[in-house]
Amino acid sequence: KQEVTQIPAALSVPEGENLVLNCSFTDSAIYNLQWFRQDPGKGLTSLLLIQSSQREQTSGRLNASLDKSSGRSTLYIAASQPGDSATYLCAATTNAGKSTFGDGTTLTVKP
Amino acid sequence: KAGVTQTPRYLIKTRGQQVTLSCSPISGHRSVSWYQQTPGQGLQFLFEYFSETQRNKGNFPGRFSGRQFSNSRSEMNVSTLELGDSALYLCASSRDGGPGELFFGEGSRLTVL
Repeated sequence: KQEVTQIPAALSVPEGENLVLNCSFTDSAIYNLQWFRQDPGKGLTSLLLIQSSQREQTSGRLNASLDKSSGRSTLYIAASQPGDSATYLCAATTNAGKSTFGDGTTLTVKP
Repeated sequence: KAGVTQTPRYLIKTRGQQVTLSCSPISGHRSVSWYQQTPGQGLQFLFEYFSETQRNKGNFPGRFSGRQFSNSRSEMNVSTLELGDSALYLCASSRDGGPGELFFGEGSRLTVL
């Protein structure tokens, strides 16, 4: 059974800092890994999708990497802003299309 | 292009009642999956439908059921509601038959009294 863990559970940083969020998964037989952002009481917004054959994806200030062999993915946020404050979740999806989500990292960026 | 639409956004029910939630996927998307999100359990997978067929199912009791229509719209039903069913129910759609990028709706917030 796939288990996905996100560390840390919460993170508080001053504006402008670069930061890394971690996601680990127990079963490396994944099809893709997706990072999401969730604002309080809202749905999930897709940030980046990494296929199993890829090593990383970039979108603006965000960069996500994937290391299947070690069961890890990281989300790098450059030059953080208060608007980045949210909960970030990762999801590992199998070939059969079943997705397992981590519990998320709640990020607070202080002005 | 419209996103994933979930209705209703908020609803309050009492124990023992039943509820039906609706999800309209992004136009052209044929896969719809449902998730329950609670503070204690996080995001848990309920089931996934593709071309009107349930393709995957999570570990929820039979009180939770779903279906998908020919236009890809999906509904989920919870019968005999319990207090523990209070949660944010999220629907996600993806385009292809294989596992693809998930796009979520805003969710339906269910409160059971």
